[in-house]
Amino acid sequence: GESVGLHLPTLSVQEGDNSIINCAYSNSASDYFIWYKQESGKGPQFIIDIRSNMDKRQGQRVTVLLNKTVKHLSLQIAATQPGDSAVYFCAENAGANNLFFGTGTRLTVIP
Amino acid sequence: DVKVTQSSRYLVKRTGEKVFLECVQDMDHENMFWYRQDPGLGLRLIYFSYDVKMKEKGDIPEGYSVSREKKERFSLILESASTNQTSMYLCASSLLGPRDEKLFFGSGTQLSVL
Repeated sequence: GESVGLHLPTLSVQEGDNSIINCAYSNSASDYFIWYKQESGKGPQFIIDIRSNMDKRQGQRVTVLLNKTVKHLSLQIAATQPGDSAVYFCAENAGANNLFFGTGTRLTVIP
Repeated sequence: DVKVTQSSRYLVKRTGEKVFLECVQDMDHENMFWYRQDPGLGLRLIYFSYDVKMKEKGDIPEGYSVSREKKERFSLILESASTNQTSMYLCASSLLGPRDEKLFFGSGTQLSVL
């Protein structure tokens, strides 16, 4: 999974399969987490967020899971489509006036 | 939908030039941010502003300044551009602080300093 400072990991999935993108965070005080999607040539687009008082949140075709014990966040995309191909970033906020972003995971959907 | 508009998609400047990157948001958001995005480093915060004429340094403010004369507009200024400022610059806005709400991003300005 992604973490700040690592090379961009990649994930390739077949169209229709489920995708799981992982993110490790380092600050146990982080209490708000967001997943962004960035398509080529565009700015990051909000997908879903979760607060630390939850361990799961679902949106349309996406689910975010938060495991505070191991400081791990994941984004699950159901029935992945070609339009899901993008770079996905997780971001965390630990109370400062800033979101800390991971380096991203590149998802490629194979038709 | 919130729209965050960055004035230029691509810019090419020479070392030593003064560069202005402009950003406008149309949703009356209080907060505006400038990030730069570099391969392998993710997004890093340069400056942000919580109100007109207010500015706060982010993680990498050196070599940059900002201006917020109107609520909808936040400008990033490179006083004397250098090659290490070649990067993708992203502007963002939010109604509440980043603890409370997602950021809305513009499409970015790819700046090349030669």
